[in-house]
Amino acid sequence: GDSVTQTEGLVTLTEGLPVMLNCTYQTIYSNPFLFWYVQHLNESPRLLLKSFTDNKRTEHQGFHATLHKSSSSFHLQKSSAQLSDSALYYCAQAPSGSWQLIFGSGTQLTVMP
Amino acid sequence: EAAVTQSPRNKVAVTGGKVTLSCNQTNNHNNMYWYRQDTGHGLRLIHYSYGAGSTEKGDIPDGYKASRPSQENFSLILELATPSQTSVYFCASGDASGWGVYEQYFGPGTRLTVL
Repeated sequence: GDSVTQTEGLVTLTEGLPVMLNCTYQTIYSNPFLFWYVQHLNESPRLLLKSFTDNKRTEHQGFHATLHKSSSSFHLQKSSAQLSDSALYYCAQAPSGSWQLIFGSGTQLTVMP
Repeated sequence: EAAVTQSPRNKVAVTGGKVTLSCNQTNNHNNMYWYRQDTGHGLRLIHYSYGAGSTEKGDIPDGYKASRPSQENFSLILELATPSQTSVYFCASGDASGWGVYEQYFGPGTRLTVL
């Protein structure tokens, strides 16, 4: 069935270093919609990025991601981590035609000074 | 931005007791969802609804019921609570057109402890 895999459960970085959180997906549909949600401590998840266009970079709040259908990937990147980026990040997909989101298990990002 | 509220925010229940978690949204979204969040499992869909009077089973519906009496309200009911249902529960809503179908707005969450 459809699924989302986030291989890193915990990522710890020093402030100023680049961020890359991995996300791969499986789906039988050819046109999935991919998302990144972010959840700060004691808050609820909110949408950070979304895409359905192959090989097109999408950006928001300093983060960017590119959907690569050839490798079924949608990795989240940022050039320079900030302390305020510490949060739980979820990758999610909506298989084409579905009204449901399928979430990965999440990656906890901690940025140290 | 969508406003989704949940009550109660914290709940301690006893095993075998009945628990009702309530969710209200004020932006007239058609779709509403109930998730539970557990470390290592992420967000898992329990039940969802396409509109008043409809409820559908998500990925982990066993032990839960849902009720959508109106466009604004969506409840999650645990008839016989068990300790394995200790978790944080999130309600979310989303519109049913274009990108809005997929962009979900989450409530603040309810922390449920079943003793």
